[in-house]
Amino acid sequence: DAGVIQSPRHEVTEMGQEVTLRCKPISGHNSLFWYRQTMMRGLELLIYFNNNVPIDDSGMPEDRFSAKMPNASFSTLKIQPSEPRDSAVYFCASSLLGSGANVLTFGAGSRLTVL
Amino acid sequence: DAKTTQPPSMDCAEGRAANLPCNHSTISGNEYVYWYRQIHSQGPQYIIHGLKNNETNEMASLIITEDRKSSTLILPHATLRDTAVYYCIVRVPLNYGGSQGNLIFGKGTKLSVKP
Repeated sequence: DAGVIQSPRHEVTEMGQEVTLRCKPISGHNSLFWYRQTMMRGLELLIYFNNNVPIDDSGMPEDRFSAKMPNASFSTLKIQPSEPRDSAVYFCASSLLGSGANVLTFGAGSRLTVL
Repeated sequence: DAKTTQPPSMDCAEGRAANLPCNHSTISGNEYVYWYRQIHSQGPQYIIHGLKNNETNEMASLIITEDRKSSTLILPHATLRDTAVYYCIVRVPLNYGGSQGNLIFGKGTKLSVKP
């Protein structure tokens, strides 16, 4: 298995532009998580899905952020419009609900820089 | 979820055992202890987890005190590649009592393995 695949790995954009981050979870996993990491705030959970349904989006900073999971093999995190304070590394993780171990497998991350 | 307390940083000599402590004095009976680590610029990686018995796998050992208020992660023969931030997390596992599976990361312990 290739693991959790995120794209792009690096993105540099200008303030006001739309940013879309993509994630392909591990095949067979039914939970997907989006985290954001900054030096100041560490790893923050933004939103997570179970069986493609958003369960808790209380970590989403504001309405500029949205996440979708149209099917079990794909999710997007969109920021529109982007701001410099959104600069961070965004991680996607997946897990198998019901496996009992609560083990998350993380992707390599998408490093976003908003100028 | 129970709060955890970890030292912000630790050093360890290469080849020696690294013992990383974690306090979780408010842990409840159904909460597990999980350890993840994050090597620089990579996504977090699962290491080990346990409830009340000591656990060992190919990566590490987990020692949980009898009262479950603290635990220690042991890397038996630390290498330079073990330099990372180690996160101790206590959490009800997936599917227990309505838990939805998200993990909340604290600040962790930055372990530096030195030659």
